[in-house]
Amino acid sequence: ETGVTQSPTHLIKTRGQQVTLRCSSQSGHNTVSWYQQALGQGPQFIFQYYREEENGRGNFPPRFSGLQFPNYSSELNVNALELDDSALYLCASMEGTGVGRSEQFFGPGTRLTVL
Amino acid sequence: AQSVTQLDSQVPVFEEAPVELRCNYSSSVSVYLFWYVQYPNQGLQLLLKYLSGSTLVKGINGFEAEFNKSQTSFHLRKPSVHISDTAEYFCAVSEGSSASKIIFGSGTRLSIRP
Repeated sequence: ETGVTQSPTHLIKTRGQQVTLRCSSQSGHNTVSWYQQALGQGPQFIFQYYREEENGRGNFPPRFSGLQFPNYSSELNVNALELDDSALYLCASMEGTGVGRSEQFFGPGTRLTVL
Repeated sequence: AQSVTQLDSQVPVFEEAPVELRCNYSSSVSVYLFWYVQYPNQGLQLLLKYLSGSTLVKGINGFEAEFNKSQTSFHLRKPSVHISDTAEYFCAVSEGSSASKIIFGSGTRLSIRP
């Protein structure tokens, strides 16, 4: 069984650019959530996708957007990058939508640096 | 609104000593509580969770946590730590079984001294 994988591992961008991060969910999982973890902080919920539809969103501006594909893999897109977007971006997959009912499995993350 | 406070940003302990990592939460409704561990350069791994029932929850790697509703706390304990327990530990909360998001605390870095 393959776990949650994310690509790329590291990424360097400049202010104003756009970035796309990718996540492959664990086999059998139909839900993907994205979190932003700034240095020295806990992860913050960005949004969740369930069966290709957004199913909950945290306090992030619209320039953070996502997609989920029929195979349940997902992309996180960030437009007009700002310096404060520098962080570790974590993807988590699970079966179903309730975090109390099912366990989320996290990927290793993508480290984004914005210069 | 939910929030999680981890009272200690860093906890140094000697190997084989006991440890307690403190966590307090606030919420206006019933909550589910979690502890996650993050080893260097890795994602998060679930240590344990409290959904209902017994207030003492046992997790992986010898960790346990106790839910205290009156004190709104969910402290994590281990009777004897090992060098391999060196990591960042996050307390987290969600509202209800159908909640889509988890709110994390800011983390506690556990460093084990030989």
